Amino acid sequence: GQNIDQPTEMTATEGAIVQINCTYQTSGFNGLFWYQQHAGEAPTFLSYNVLDGLEEKGRFSSFLSRSKGYSYLLLKELQMKDSASYLCAPQGATDSWGKFQFGAGTQVVVTP
Amino acid sequence: DTGVSQDPRHKITKRGQNVTFRCDPISEHNRLYWYRQTLGQGPEFLTYFQNEAQLEKSRLLSDRFSAERPKGSFSTLEIQRTEQGDSAMYLCASSFGTGDTNEQFFGPGTRLTVL
Repeated sequence: GQNIDQPTEMTATEGAIVQINCTYQTSGFNGLFWYQQHAGEAPTFLSYNVLDGLEEKGRFSSFLSRSKGYSYLLLKELQMKDSASYLCAPQGATDSWGKFQFGAGTQVVVTP
Repeated sequence: DTGVSQDPRHKITKRGQNVTFRCDPISEHNRLYWYRQTLGQGPEFLTYFQNEAQLEKSRLLSDRFSAERPKGSFSTLEIQRTEQGDSAMYLCASSFGTGDTNEQFFGPGTRLTVL
């Protein structure tokens, strides 16, 4: 099984930076996904980390430490449209590659 | 529109009735997943297919739930004898891959309300 822990909610102002932490315990490890989900909509893919380190993609960056079971998603230059839930999804062992487990999500609220 | 589609988008039913949902994945995707999501929670894995083979089913899933993907294309999820606790958003996702990792593309979901 997998335990996934991420904060419930974070609030930040437009233009600021927010870091969403995710800690996890998995049966084996094959990588970690971050998804964004706006209210009432389906999740959309943001990033994937399989090796330790930082992956940068525009205003969003994601970091992974496999040994610590830790990842974070960094949102820079926040915009109002970034208000959404951010879901951490570590992928378990090779024999269960298809079984994605999502965290409960971190609701980010961007204020003017 | 070549994304994942789901039908219906909304379903209201009375307790005890059976319901069936359909998912049409992106055409070249060989993997298909079903999730259930309730308010304030992340998607909860239900089951997944590679082509027509159902490879895993969540242990949390009762026998009232069944899914099929008969020709390796569209999939159906049936819930028999619905209960109020089944009220949720049912999400379908698809991906393409032969290895261990793959980005999933989600459909818009079917919102089920059991009265």
